Amino acid sequence: SQQGEEDPQALSIQEGENATMNCSYKTSINNLQWYRQNSGRGLVHLILIRSNEREKHSGRLRVTLDTSKKSSSLLITASRAADTASYFCATARAGKSTFGDGTTLTVKP
Amino acid sequence: EPEVTQTPSHQVTQMGQEVILRCVPISNHLYFYWYRQILGQKVEFLVSFYNNEISEKSEIFDDQFSVERPDGSNFTLKIRSTKLEDSAMYFCASSEYEGDTEAFFGQGTRLTVV
Repeated sequence: SQQGEEDPQALSIQEGENATMNCSYKTSINNLQWYRQNSGRGLVHLILIRSNEREKHSGRLRVTLDTSKKSSSLLITASRAADTASYFCATARAGKSTFGDGTTLTVKP
Repeated sequence: EPEVTQTPSHQVTQMGQEVILRCVPISNHLYFYWYRQILGQKVEFLVSFYNNEISEKSEIFDDQFSVERPDGSNFTLKIRSTKLEDSAMYFCASSEYEGDTEAFFGQGTRLTVV
């Protein structure tokens, strides 16, 4: 898989359900970040997890990092229609971020 | 909350024209970046800049591109002779340190080359 590759590519759920997105990467990293992007808009930083951390929470977001498997997951709990967006993971090494293709999440009201 | 600002939000230009995209990074940040996102594709790294020089650039960042920090606050990306395939969203980002830190992204400039 490519550096910072997410799966699934698209996810459609009902409001109130949980959404899980996964990201895999190839090389060693300093940290991994998750971003959200509404259609045609800018990148909104969601959460940063460092290479020595395994799990991090922020509100309804939970991110895990498994450096042995070179993978991360983003869980959005109790989803809302407003969570509809594309979600990208980005691995950072020496300051440079490498983005995946993203997961397009649709939350139906 | 401090933020990275980019201007303009949308730029339309004729093929072959020069464009300058402007960014104001967060004031105490030292590392600056440009990324590009062609419609429907992933965000791609273009260039990183530190201490008034390019520290890394991708193969996309050819001789048509240049970056400059003309004063203490602005960070610009210039495309000398635009091509249709330069149409994309261009994101500026800045970070306080190079390594273990969050990069803050601007809202982007949508460049349309006609």
